[in-house]
Order: sequence, then C-alpha cells, then structure tokens
Amino acid sequence: GNSVTQMEGPVTLSEEAFLTINCTYTATGYPSLFWYVQYPGEGLQLLLKATKADDKGSNKGFEATYRKETTSFHLEKGSVQVSDSAVYFCALSKAGGTSYGKLTFGQGTILTVHP
Amino acid sequence: DAGVTQSPTHLIKTRGQQVTLRCSPKSGHDTVSWYQQALGQGPQFIFQYYEEEERQRGNFPDRFSGHQFPNYSSELNVNALLLGDSALYLCASSWGRLQETQYFGPGTRLLVL
Repeated sequence: GNSVTQMEGPVTLSEEAFLTINCTYTATGYPSLFWYVQYPGEGLQLLLKATKADDKGSNKGFEATYRKETTSFHLEKGSVQVSDSAVYFCALSKAGGTSYGKLTFGQGTILTVHP
Repeated sequence: DAGVTQSPTHLIKTRGQQVTLRCSPKSGHDTVSWYQQALGQGPQFIFQYYEEEERQRGNFPDRFSGHQFPNYSSELNVNALLLGDSALYLCASSWGRLQETQYFGPGTRLLVL
C-alpha cells in the first residue's frame, strides 16, 4: 500500500538557519504530494503541493520538489523564523483504485526555531 | 469566505458512550473526509463522503459511522467509545470526485475517560 516516511525529529534550529525536512514515499503510479503544517492546538494548513514529477511547490518561503527517481519530496526553507515553529506533515494522495482521494500522512516532524 | 468549521471544539465522554461530531465544508466544496489524529501521530483516514454516500473507508471498525447531508455538511458518529478513541478528529473538505487538495478544519478534541 501507499506510505510516507519523514525524517526523525524533532528539529531544533536558530532563527535564519537553513531548514530541510526529508520525506520519501511509496506508491504505485503518480501520486500527488503535499506538505501540511500544524501549529499548536490547531488543525492542518496546506503549505504547498506538487502533482507531477519535477514540479516544485512553494509558499511562504518554503519549497519542495517532486522527485520521482528518488521518490522524495523534501521540504526546504532558506531562512527560518521563530513563527515557523510547528509540526510539519508530508502526505500523498493517489487517484484511482481504492485509495482515491485519501490522504496518507507521514508521522510528522516537530520544528522548533529559537531566536 | 468561511473555511471548514467543526463542532464542538472539545468533548469529554466516558467509555461505552456514543458521540457525534459535526463538520461544515468550505464554501463550494462537496466532498468531506474524516481523519483521526492520535497524540504525536499523523492523521489516519477514517472515511470520505461524496454525494451523500460513503465513497472510501479506512481501516476503522463499524463503530465509526458517518453521514453527509444535502448541504454537504457531515457528521461522524462513534459508538461504544473506547479509551483508545481519544484523539483529535479532523474534517477536511474538497471539491468534486476528482478532488486532490483537501482543506482541514480546526478539529474536535475527544477525550474518553
């Protein structure tokens, strides 16, 4: 079945540091890939997405590129801020078959940014 | 433009009781999906409703049931509550049967004692 694996966390960085959160997936065919962010006590917010190989999703300084050859969708940001502290979830959705429209999530990565 | 709304925000129940959670989708959306997020875990798919029918179901027992109304809002019902049902229950909405991007509500936090 489909699965998503995120790097082990938590991740602790200083403000303005470079961020990478690794995400790899297992799925047949061509899933759509997503990053969601969850701030303390809140639901999930869509951060960015990519729907086909080599697509780059970007939003609020975050970027991720859909790499089919390595089945990866790593999240990056050049300079993090304290306000980026949250839990980040990588997810996939695959059209067709029994997983149509269902989101499969990774376990989440806790990011803490210190001033 | 109202986003996805859920009610109640918090709920405390005892084992064996039944609970109903409610969700109103984002304006213009017609598909509702429900997820369970245990503490420290990623959300797990429960089921999805489209055109008032359950279209997909995750690996959850029949104690979990749902409904979608003609205005696209939805309910999640859980019977015979267990301690392990304590979690954040998230509703997500999207548009159309070919939907891909789901937008989440703030969730309902259920505590079973």
